[in-house]
Amino acid sequence: IAGITQAPTSQILAAGRRMTLRCTQDMRHNAMYWYRQDLGLGLRLIHYSNTAGTTGKGEVPDGYSVSRANTDDFPLTLASAVPSQTSVYFCASQGADTGELFFGEGSRLTVL
Amino acid sequence: GENVEQHPSTLSVQEGDSAVIKCTYSDSASNYFPWYKQELGKRPQLIIDIRSNVGEKKDQRIAVTLNKTAKHFSLHITETQPEDSAVYFCAASISNYKLTFGKGTLLTVNP
Repeated sequence: IAGITQAPTSQILAAGRRMTLRCTQDMRHNAMYWYRQDLGLGLRLIHYSNTAGTTGKGEVPDGYSVSRANTDDFPLTLASAVPSQTSVYFCASQGADTGELFFGEGSRLTVL
Repeated sequence: GENVEQHPSTLSVQEGDSAVIKCTYSDSASNYFPWYKQELGKRPQLIIDIRSNVGEKKDQRIAVTLNKTAKHFSLHITETQPEDSAVYFCAASISNYKLTFGKGTLLTVNP
């Protein structure tokens, strides 16, 4: 693994199903984030984690949950998917020295 | 919480012209202002950032200016090239954490 990776890259999901988007980084960054990107709305923060064992809510947290059991992994779970959660999801980790966000390649999720 | 407004939403320029994208922020405590570029189908990537202790920063053809009093900052791209075509996002935060992004500007550079 080099940098930050997300899985799956694309998924079609029936409404009501549970879905977990995976995110793993190997840069030993403490801070990690989940954003959703929708046309015309930019990048909106869903949840974040400043360090392993802690998480916080962002701008649009409803319907999503996260966990941070260790430094490397930050999965995002949709407990019961709804069509409004159709979006492109980006995970990011943040370098402490510079503040730069390193984004994963994104996960395109379609909820039917 | 922080609110970031970005204008324009779309911008079309001729190759070689300059492009300017402007953002305003609401929280006077914000002190970190990065700009990200997202090419079609790709992930956003940092191109330049500025902190509240400086008013301007340059990196080759791109520059960012910050007016703390007015709470706005701008991205300037000179001598635009077709490869500058992308969506640009501004963002603001307090001490690096929890960036709040603007809605983005689609820049098209016409050859």
